[in-house]
Amino acid sequence: GAGVSQSPSNKVTEKGKDVELRCDPISGHTALYWYRQSLGQGLEFLIYFQGNSAPDKSGLPSDRFSAERTGGSVSTLTIQRTQQEDSAVYLCASSFTLKNTIYFGEGSWLTVV
Amino acid sequence: GENVEQHPSTLSVQEGDSAVIKCTYSDSASNYFPWYKQELGKRPQLIIDIRSNVGEKKDQRIAVTLNKTAKHFSLHITETQPEDSAVYFCAPDTDKLIFGTGTRLQVFP
Repeated sequence: GAGVSQSPSNKVTEKGKDVELRCDPISGHTALYWYRQSLGQGLEFLIYFQGNSAPDKSGLPSDRFSAERTGGSVSTLTIQRTQQEDSAVYLCASSFTLKNTIYFGEGSWLTVV
Repeated sequence: GENVEQHPSTLSVQEGDSAVIKCTYSDSASNYFPWYKQELGKRPQLIIDIRSNVGEKKDQRIAVTLNKTAKHFSLHITETQPEDSAVYFCAPDTDKLIFGTGTRLQVFP
């Protein structure tokens, strides 16, 4: 596809359940980022992947959050035992390399009830 | 760690006036300085960027200026229009690609 693709676009889950959010970056982009945005708030950095290097996980808010990137392309963000405070839009973005324009997906809106 | 601050956090202007938003960063190794615009309910999108080998860049009504010595760069919007109303984020290329806290610009007709 031409842009960053994320799925699902919307997810409602019960507290305590696990969720997986998927991101398919722009083809050829080596850098991939995950951000979280609560309603009316800024962009909270979660994690980024650059090529085959170990990801920078320093932004993950707790050990319930994890992410992987398989084959240098598709990434999955997993939230275990979801809590209500996890409700937010999760934005994935990619760039050709670091220090270049980043392109965002439409986001996955997560609601934990 | 890296520190990125934006000022002001909110800005209200009359249509036709100018708007200026400032971004201050701490990482002296940064050399790429973009601004993103996020309209309500939409994803952030790049509107203008500058690299550290130039001090100013213009694109129609939008400009970005860079003061690398002082570690800040600014977004300038002239002849503002209602469709400029959005949240604007800076994102200097720190190691983590941290975004500024955002500036909500409202342009009143």
